[in-house]
Amino acid sequence: EDQVTQSPEALRLQEGESSSLNCSYTVSGLRGLFWYRQDPGKGPEFLFTLYSAGEEKEKERLKATLTKKESFLHITAPKPEDSATYLCAVQAPGTSYGKLTFGQGTILTVHP
Amino acid sequence: GAGVSQSPSNKVTEKGKDVELRCDPISGHTALYWYRQSLGQGLEFLIYFQGNSAPDKSGLPSDRFSAERTGGSVSTLTIQRTQQEDSAVYLCASSRNGGRGSNQPQHFGDGTRLSIL
Repeated sequence: EDQVTQSPEALRLQEGESSSLNCSYTVSGLRGLFWYRQDPGKGPEFLFTLYSAGEEKEKERLKATLTKKESFLHITAPKPEDSATYLCAVQAPGTSYGKLTFGQGTILTVHP
Repeated sequence: GAGVSQSPSNKVTEKGKDVELRCDPISGHTALYWYRQSLGQGLEFLIYFQGNSAPDKSGLPSDRFSAERTGGSVSTLTIQRTQQEDSAVYLCASSRNGGRGSNQPQHFGDGTRLSIL
């Protein structure tokens, strides 16, 4: 069974204090790893897709990296508007028809 | 709008009643997914549509849950004889294509928050 574990569950940062979120996964082959951002009362907003180990993607203050066992979401000099829940999800060949298996998320709070 | 649209945004109903939740996917997206998000449970897959057919219904929790899609577009998730444990946020997502080779990102609506009294 595919499993995704995110850590920490919650992270509090000061504005400008860089840090990383972790997503560990266990799948029988990986078709894609996805990062989403979710604000309260909203649906998940797509950020990145990573397909193979060694791949990196960047968007503004966010950078996602991937190894064979985990992915990191690095946040550089965060701002209060980066506060949200960050979700990681995987697709695997054994997963029928592209459904996503999600982790529990990391709640990020950035204080001014 | 250009995104996935879901209605109603909130639904409060009494235990035992039937409810229908609607999803309008992004135009041109052939794959459509329903997920459920509960406190402490994270996002759970319910059902997948490719066009109007549902090759994967493996996540539907009981036979009280059903879904259909018409015209390769709008989808309706129906819950019969609702129970309190059905209270959750029901999210719909769509992607350009689906199938076993697909790894296209899924784009989500803002969900329907369902509360069963």
